[in-house]
Amino acid sequence: TQLLEQSPQFLSIQEGENLTVYCNSSSVFSSLQWYRQEPGEGPVLLVTVVTGGEVKKLKRLTFQFGDARKDSSLHITAAQPGDTGLYLCAGVPFNDYKLSFGAGTTVTVRA
Amino acid sequence: DSGVTQTPKHLITATGQRVTLRCSPRSGDLSVYWYQQSLDQGLQFLIQYYNGEERAKGNILERFSAQQFPDLHSELNLSSLELGDSALYFCASGPEVGELFFGEGSRLTVL
Repeated sequence: TQLLEQSPQFLSIQEGENLTVYCNSSSVFSSLQWYRQEPGEGPVLLVTVVTGGEVKKLKRLTFQFGDARKDSSLHITAAQPGDTGLYLCAGVPFNDYKLSFGAGTTVTVRA
Repeated sequence: DSGVTQTPKHLITATGQRVTLRCSPRSGDLSVYWYQQSLDQGLQFLIQYYNGEERAKGNILERFSAQQFPDLHSELNLSSLELGDSALYFCASGPEVGELFFGEGSRLTVL
């Protein structure tokens, strides 16, 4: 059982459409991170959210941390083919010191 | 370029053999993390070292061991290899446990 559950597992959309990826847990996290991984490469950190209810924007990407600090979402507006990749949420639960990853959401944006 | 260097990039070996994966962290980072990524298990935390000392342990098999040397580079030793050990092995370093910079990984194939 994954500590962090991501949905959907796969997402295929047309260029210009919007998409949302969800990351849920029953545990409370001191912080949550989103990473993106492309084939043959290591994950790259996109953002860290720390405060419950926090919203962060990175160009066309919007990240939200749930009020209870148990969940997060990633919203991409007007997706482009360059957004294609594996999106991973990760977090360190309270009373723990290990960073756990969700299984990931594979996003494909078709031109 | 994340600043984390891993060698070798690819490794093919036979069951029962032993291999060593090497990692150099980003300049200034004292921590090194090892992760295993496979299709069915996702990114699994193996072990963390901080300034030469083991800091946290995850789902690391007894056949696997790691160490961090005084110059802060780290090695992950995998022995008595089994087919199921075939995976991507990532090393990461970073200023905080959640904000990690990953190397490009070592792809291990056990035949």
